[in-house]
Amino acid sequence: NAGVTQTPKFRVLKTGQSMTLLCAQDMNHEYMYWYRQDPGMGLRLIHYSVGEGTTAKGEVPDGYNVSRLKKQNFLLGLESAAPSQTSVYFCAIHDRVGDQPQHFGDGTRLSIL
Amino acid sequence: AQKVTQAQTEISVVEKEDVTLDCVYETRDTTYYLFWYKQPPSGELVFLIRRNSFDEQNEISGRYSWNFQKSTSSFNFTITASQVVDSAVYFCALSEPFYNTDKLIFGTGTRLQVFP
Repeated sequence: NAGVTQTPKFRVLKTGQSMTLLCAQDMNHEYMYWYRQDPGMGLRLIHYSVGEGTTAKGEVPDGYNVSRLKKQNFLLGLESAAPSQTSVYFCAIHDRVGDQPQHFGDGTRLSIL
Repeated sequence: AQKVTQAQTEISVVEKEDVTLDCVYETRDTTYYLFWYKQPPSGELVFLIRRNSFDEQNEISGRYSWNFQKSTSSFNFTITASQVVDSAVYFCALSEPFYNTDKLIFGTGTRLQVFP
C-alpha cells in the first residue's frame, strides 16, 4: 500500500529471540498504530503514537515495546519472542487533521517456533 | 463498553446472489465512526467506507450498499449480484474520536466465499 511500508514482510523466529518491526510512512501523518491479527480474533491494537516522541498502550501491549523517535517511523519490538506472538502485524497511519480514515500497510507475517 | 460484533463467521453464496454482512456495535459516545474493510486472500486491508454517527443515510457504491441504523446499533453491508472477486474477509470497525486516539475496534470478521 502506497505511503506505508512494513519491514520485513515475513520472518521466522525462535522462542526467546528478539526482533524489531519497522513501519515507515511518507505521508507525514501524526498518528501511527500497531495492530495484530489472529485467526477468529479480528485486529487488536498493540500500541499507538499520536506524534513524534509519544507512545501509548493499546489493548494487548504485553510483550511488546515501541518507539517513535522520528515522525515517519514507528518501531515495534519483541524483546523475547514467544509462540503466542505468532501473528500478522499491521501498521496503520492516520491523518486526524485531514479527517482521513486509517491507512494500513501490507502486514508482516511473524512465526515464532 | 466499546464492541463490534460480526455474528456471521462465514458465508457462502453462488455468484450473482445478493449477500448481507451484519455488524452490530456498542459505544459509550454519541460521536463515533463506523467502517468496513475488505481483506482479500492476498492479505492487505482495503478501506471500503466510513460513516459518522450523525449521518444515517444509506450509501450505495456500485454493487455495494450500507445500511446504518442507530436505533438497532447496526451497520450492515450488502453486496448485490456477488462476484468471485468479492471473496474475502470483511471487517466492521468502530472508532470514538472524542477519546483522542481514533483507534479502531474491529469485529472478528466475516469470511465471504463466492462460488462460480
